[in-house]
Amino acid sequence: DAKTTQPPSMDCAEGRAANLPCNHSTISGNEYVYWYRQIHSQGPQYIIHGLKNNETNEMASLIITEDRKSSTLILPHATLRDTAVYYCIVRERNAGNMLTFGGGTRLMVKP
Amino acid sequence: KAGVTQTPRYLIKTRGQQVTLSCSPISGHRSVSWYQQTPGQGLQFLFEYFSETQRNKGNFPGRFSGRQFSNSRSEMNVSTLELGDSALYLCASSLVGLAGTSVNYGYTFGSGTRLTVV
Repeated sequence: DAKTTQPPSMDCAEGRAANLPCNHSTISGNEYVYWYRQIHSQGPQYIIHGLKNNETNEMASLIITEDRKSSTLILPHATLRDTAVYYCIVRERNAGNMLTFGGGTRLMVKP
Repeated sequence: KAGVTQTPRYLIKTRGQQVTLSCSPISGHRSVSWYQQTPGQGLQFLFEYFSETQRNKGNFPGRFSGRQFSNSRSEMNVSTLELGDSALYLCASSLVGLAGTSVNYGYTFGSGTRLTVV
């Protein structure tokens, strides 16, 4: 699986959009970008995934650059409950159920 | 629907002992994976079971083992516990199609078992 690079921490004001970047410059054509988050003392929670098109669901939006070397997870209106560690993972769709987690980004949403 | 259930939630063991952790996946999910989370190493994949067979294994010593039952429930065992085995152990389940491929790309994690070895 391709390696990802994320900033270790970010702050965001409550109610504002949180934009979390991820670099995956060695991504291959059949690898998807997945985002998970982990709220303190809980298991990771799936957020969204995509291949090359932008994706949106009830939790977030995923913007993938045209060259697919980076992506951004957008939480449109961050709340205090969005404070968590966010993990960007790149893997093949049918690579088996092994996820390789990096260090993630610790997002702190402040009032 | 019920989520992934892990028991016990907390556990304290002594060095040299062995421990068994349990994971009940979401109903209908046939794949169960185990992860270890420590402050130093982060989240690391242990192994994955599908239809009672281990499909993938991470880079952990043989003291770490697991199994899966016919109802998809899974257990992991750690023998001869070391202080460094203190961690949050997480289980994840996913829906896998007939060809053994994941039709649901979001894996659902349990809340984990926090193991402390003293």
